[in-house]
Amino acid sequence: AQSVAQPEDQVNVAEGNPLTVKCTYSVSGNPYLFWYVQYPNRGLQFLLKYITGDNLVKGSYGFEAEFNKSQTSFHLKKPSALVSDSALYFCAGATGTASKLTFGTGTRLQVTL
Amino acid sequence: DAMVIQNPRYQVTQFGKPVTLSCSQTLNHNVMYWYQQKSSQAPKLLFHYYDKDFNNEADTPDNFQSRRPNTSFCFLDIRSPGLGDAAMYLCATSRDPPPSSYEQYFGPGTRLTVT
Repeated sequence: AQSVAQPEDQVNVAEGNPLTVKCTYSVSGNPYLFWYVQYPNRGLQFLLKYITGDNLVKGSYGFEAEFNKSQTSFHLKKPSALVSDSALYFCAGATGTASKLTFGTGTRLQVTL
Repeated sequence: DAMVIQNPRYQVTQFGKPVTLSCSQTLNHNVMYWYQQKSSQAPKLLFHYYDKDFNNEADTPDNFQSRRPNTSFCFLDIRSPGLGDAAMYLCATSRDPPPSSYEQYFGPGTRLTVT
């Protein structure tokens, strides 16, 4: 069975500091990995994805994520956080044997002044 | 702009009174999904359509039905809503179904309240 884990329910960071939101995966085969962001009372917005190729993936709003096969991780990062980045972040994955996207439980990012 | 539209954004229904939520897309995607999301939890897939092929998740209650009359529209019918069905309902689309490298595009959601 495939699974995606987000070990932190909430991450707090000061504006201007770098941020990391963690995600690990457990799948068979080569994974397709995604990050989505959700603002209050809104749908999920696609940020970035890893399919193959470079382990460092760049996405929307200055976010990037690093695929690490040996650690089975796909952490979301941003060099300098903004208050407007405060939202709920979901990691998701799929593999060649899965029929649906598996979401992590979500991490709430709180960026303060 | 190509997008996924959900109407209404907020829906209030009475316990046991049938309700229909709608979703439309201008992306011309093959796949349309319905998710249920409660209290900032992970979205839970209810079912999806790949073109006209309906794919129901094993744990989706029979109370939930769906229709896709054409490529652009998809409906979620809740035949007899219970208090436990109060949630945000998210519609999403993608070019191909998982396993796929294609991301899903989500609508803004419909928040359903059951009184």
